[in-house]
Amino acid sequence: DTAVSQTPKYLVTQMGNDKSIKCEQNLGHDTMYWYKQDSKKFLKIMFSYNNKELIINETVPNRFSPKSPDKAHLNLHINSLELGDSAVYFCASSQDGGDYEQYFGPGTRLTVT
Amino acid sequence: DQQVKQNSPSLSVQEGRISILNCDYTNSMFDYFLWYKKYPAEGPTFLISISSIKDKNEDGRFTVFLNKSAKHLSLHIVPSQPGDSAVYFCAASASGAGSYQLTFGKGTKLSVIP
Repeated sequence: DTAVSQTPKYLVTQMGNDKSIKCEQNLGHDTMYWYKQDSKKFLKIMFSYNNKELIINETVPNRFSPKSPDKAHLNLHINSLELGDSAVYFCASSQDGGDYEQYFGPGTRLTVT
Repeated sequence: DQQVKQNSPSLSVQEGRISILNCDYTNSMFDYFLWYKKYPAEGPTFLISISSIKDKNEDGRFTVFLNKSAKHLSLHIVPSQPGDSAVYFCAASASGAGSYQLTFGKGTKLSVIP
């Protein structure tokens, strides 16, 4: 009965490959997010989607693209993976932006070799 | 440019005593603040929040204090329990700007010693 789930939990791949991380929430929330936790442990927002519209697009490389087939899903596609993309990626959701707490998935540890 | 700072990377507290975790922010547009708790290999879990219209919010053993003039907030855990051992992240948002972004601090690792 997981609220926010991500697959896979671990992903090891080679440079230059294209990969996707899936995220689903069963909370009925309106907004979903992707965060990156880098080697320095900072959690930084990458994208958020509200009712299928991209509302934040931080300065991430355009190799990263979020795709939301419906309100309950926000998948992250990464093209031409680079070593620097190695990190833990967290999906999150909230009832609304701003004042409502965000609920996080368990994270996907991506390792690019 | 760290807009949310947690200057103590770690904190050790004896079981039963008070744990005080501190957080400072620089962006005066922030008006909503949250604390998250994170265990290894898990996602952050929401703990408690406070709006800028308040200076204190309490939930069981957890109390968050906000000092807007000092741009400082703190999380008090009383009494501390071994299960509280985790990394605690402070986060802030500027809701009025239509932004949905949470800005996180770097985290403080709390160790509660039995």
